[in-house]
Amino acid sequence: KAGVTQTPRYLIKTRGQQVTLSCSPISGHRSVSWYQQTPGQGLQFLFEYFSETQRNKGNFPGRFSGRQFSNSRSEMNVSTLELGDSALYLCASSLTPGANTEAFFGQGTRLTVV
Amino acid sequence: AQRVTQPEKLLSVFKGAPVELKCNYSYSGSPELFWYVQYSRQRLQLLLRHISRESIKGFTADLNKGETSFHLKKPFAQEEDSAMYYCALSRGGGSNYKLTFGKGTLLTVNP
Repeated sequence: KAGVTQTPRYLIKTRGQQVTLSCSPISGHRSVSWYQQTPGQGLQFLFEYFSETQRNKGNFPGRFSGRQFSNSRSEMNVSTLELGDSALYLCASSLTPGANTEAFFGQGTRLTVV
Repeated sequence: AQRVTQPEKLLSVFKGAPVELKCNYSYSGSPELFWYVQYSRQRLQLLLRHISRESIKGFTADLNKGETSFHLKKPFAQEEDSAMYYCALSRGGGSNYKLTFGKGTLLTVNP
């Protein structure tokens, strides 16, 4: 079966712009989580969606937002980009939000803010 | 707050030697612990989870609640084990599910 697909794979944006990243989960998976990965901070949880509802949010400013559609696809948006937002953004999907449900990760979107 | 600590950023061993990647956590409740692995140019993937008590690719990990540790071990390292390893914790299902990751340990197995 097809894995988690993230688009685009690479993005270059200018400070102050906004960006939208997309994540298509594995077919049948209804839970989608987003993570930011940087060399300094490692993998940090952004938010999690299940059945179109944001169920949990990490410690990120309000410039970071997301949503999930009825087909479980998810988007995350970052407004007023800052240089520090440059990172690899990973999406993970799982069948359900349960703790012991395996999370399958996409290859990520590499965002560079200049 | 939940926290995962992987004290070694880099770990280098020779092929055939035992390897242990350390993971310590802090969490007041009953955690669910995982090890994720990322091989070169591949996506992050689950290696094993404590509740399964299984051995994957020769790796095992035991949850020690007294020492709040979940160290990953393999008796004889192979070159193909070279990868980035992340320990992760979840505080359970329901409305507060999320994974908290350690910063990772880069394992290099030398021939």
